Amino acid sequence: AQSVTQLGSHVSVSEGALVLLRCNYSSSVPPYLFWYVQYPNQGLQLLLKYTTGATLVKGINGFEAEFKKSETSFHLTKPSAHMSDAAEYFCAVTRISGGYQKVTFGTGTKLQVIP
Amino acid sequence: NAGVTQTPKFRVLKTGQSMTLLCAQDMNHEYMYWYRQDPGMGLRLIHYSVGEGTTAKGEVPDGYNVSRLKKQNFLLGLESAAPSQTSVYFCASRPETGGYNQPQHFGDGTRLSIL
Repeated sequence: AQSVTQLGSHVSVSEGALVLLRCNYSSSVPPYLFWYVQYPNQGLQLLLKYTTGATLVKGINGFEAEFKKSETSFHLTKPSAHMSDAAEYFCAVTRISGGYQKVTFGTGTKLQVIP
Repeated sequence: NAGVTQTPKFRVLKTGQSMTLLCAQDMNHEYMYWYRQDPGMGLRLIHYSVGEGTTAKGEVPDGYNVSRLKKQNFLLGLESAAPSQTSVYFCASRPETGGYNQPQHFGDGTRLSIL
């Protein structure tokens, strides 16, 4: 069963506009949530991670994510897009499977920033 | 400050050939993972290891084998390569301590083409 869903495989925004990337998780899993960013030809880098009890989590490069338990969402936002934000973004959730922790990734959202 | 290093970065194989991908981490992490990344499918877990001498199957283990003879190294083997194994392979590691919200550290990937 899918543990995390990212809505929109491609998102385009103008430089300076608000960035909103959506992520919903399965309510059956514990809320250990992450956002990663992948620049072309590179591996994934941690953008931010959910901290128990927090509703707003701040990450690097001006990104933040709001945790809404009632909506099972962990959407990523940035007030003003920069050209350097063009990348692919992955939401991920930690779950317990077979007695071990595993991370399940969403299918990713490619962000295009238009000058 | 190497982090996670993957070797090789690129490789082209013919169907039926075998090869081994090497992952090395210098952070003394207990957990190591192998993923494959295909367009529109995010990252899928192939195999993982929770410590030296241990391995376990992930979501898509068929056609792959792994070994973790040394804590710092995690090898991924393809015994008889098939075109369906054309993908970008990522290795990741994370520490055991710190709880469920410890992020993974990724290598830059190996781009593998099977002709």
